[in-house]
Amino acid sequence: GESVGLHLPTLSVQEGDNSIINCAYSNSASDYFIWYKQESGKGPQFIIDIRSNMDKRQGQRVTVLLNKTVKHLSLQIAATQPGDSAVYFCAETSLGGAQKLVFGQGTRLTINP
Amino acid sequence: NAGVMQNPRHLVRRRGQEARLRCSPMKGHSHVYWYRQLPEEGLKFMVYLQKENIIDESGMPKERFSAEFPKEGPSILRIQQVVRGDSAAYFCASSSLQGGDTQYFGPGTRLTVL
Repeated sequence: GESVGLHLPTLSVQEGDNSIINCAYSNSASDYFIWYKQESGKGPQFIIDIRSNMDKRQGQRVTVLLNKTVKHLSLQIAATQPGDSAVYFCAETSLGGAQKLVFGQGTRLTINP
Repeated sequence: NAGVMQNPRHLVRRRGQEARLRCSPMKGHSHVYWYRQLPEEGLKFMVYLQKENIIDESGMPKERFSAEFPKEGPSILRIQQVVRGDSAAYFCASSSLQGGDTQYFGPGTRLTVL
């Protein structure tokens, strides 16, 4: 289940199950959103992105949903694998400006065998 | 196609010393961003550079920190007179407008100040 610890929120799922990671973004002017995966000791790795003129985008085993009305973003990972264990960050930016990314808090996903 | 490269991967400095972090963007990318990450936190924007220009440094501390991206060579993030609070992971990302706006990150430099 999902819980908030002292630091990062955590989500534990069984291998093979689907997982959903949620993110509330802060700036209604943001029009470009990205999900990154960060494994321990590594840099963020691009997973999938979505622009504000879309509400859904699918990749390989991943789907991003965007709800601009409530400023909510979610990442769905299908058929999770042990290699999916990592911290997942959403990031937002405005394409018209400097495009500096504003990162969310992050969620630690743990896949149980 | 090599990704974003950063060096050193780990850097240890004593208080008062200088730290120089290097970033080579992906081939064809002319936009470089620096971010700082404290343990168990998300990345925080520091500075955005294009070749020979600082475009946005709104996330940089006013003192001791500077960044450059010269015409030739890597981007450099320089921290003078380091303090323990500077200990963090520093990540560089690069992007190319022609390739879309996605920022691709390097492996980071982990700075430890003793």
